[in-house]
Amino acid sequence: QQPVQSPQAVILREGEDAVINCSSSKALYSVHWYRQKHGEAPVFLMILLKGGEQKGHEKISASFNEKKQQSSLYLTASQLSYSGTYFCGTEPGNDYKLSFGAGTTVTVRA
Amino acid sequence: GAVVSQHPSRVICKSGTSVKIECRSLDFQATTMFWYRQFPKQSLMLMATSNEGSKATYEQGVEKDKFLINHASLTLSTLTVTSAHPEDSSFYICSAIKSWGTEAFFGQGTRLTVV
Repeated sequence: QQPVQSPQAVILREGEDAVINCSSSKALYSVHWYRQKHGEAPVFLMILLKGGEQKGHEKISASFNEKKQQSSLYLTASQLSYSGTYFCGTEPGNDYKLSFGAGTTVTVRA
Repeated sequence: GAVVSQHPSRVICKSGTSVKIECRSLDFQATTMFWYRQFPKQSLMLMATSNEGSKATYEQGVEKDKFLINHASLTLSTLTVTSAHPEDSSFYICSAIKSWGTEAFFGQGTRLTVV
């Protein structure tokens, strides 16, 4: 089953913050976050392996609540380069098989 | 970071013909590779898991005779779309996992158009 991502789309001005949520109906081993630009392959951002784990990548960070089977991606002080579609990929078992959410399209405007 | 190369990046073929897409891990060995397809403005859907030296495992609803996968070496997996039809037109993306790794590295994708 695919995880559910929200919101579907968000428009930001440079410097604004945003949160993207990803929730699964299954217990999760890990959550992966990717960003995809139009016509390109997804680019890995980060992986969260443990419940309650938080990670950061520049001004993009994420948290993983294992009990709630949810993960959130935080875009802080957004930059134009943050525009793209963000996908969460969930891994129920330790087998690298990812189910991807429908994606959240982020548009950052000057 | 690890590099995964996919070839070709774009291909147009006639209905009824077959197309082969290659996925190579350039600077690491990958015992497992995955094939996804992505329709416009939709998410990536896992098609199959490709394991070096063994048969691929296909997700429910994916025709194994239509999408032939071969993982001949630790750095190469191929997806052959046989007897392609216009509905097979899509963006096909592979990913590879480093041995003992955790994250998946994606190729740049192949846009297949069947006319």
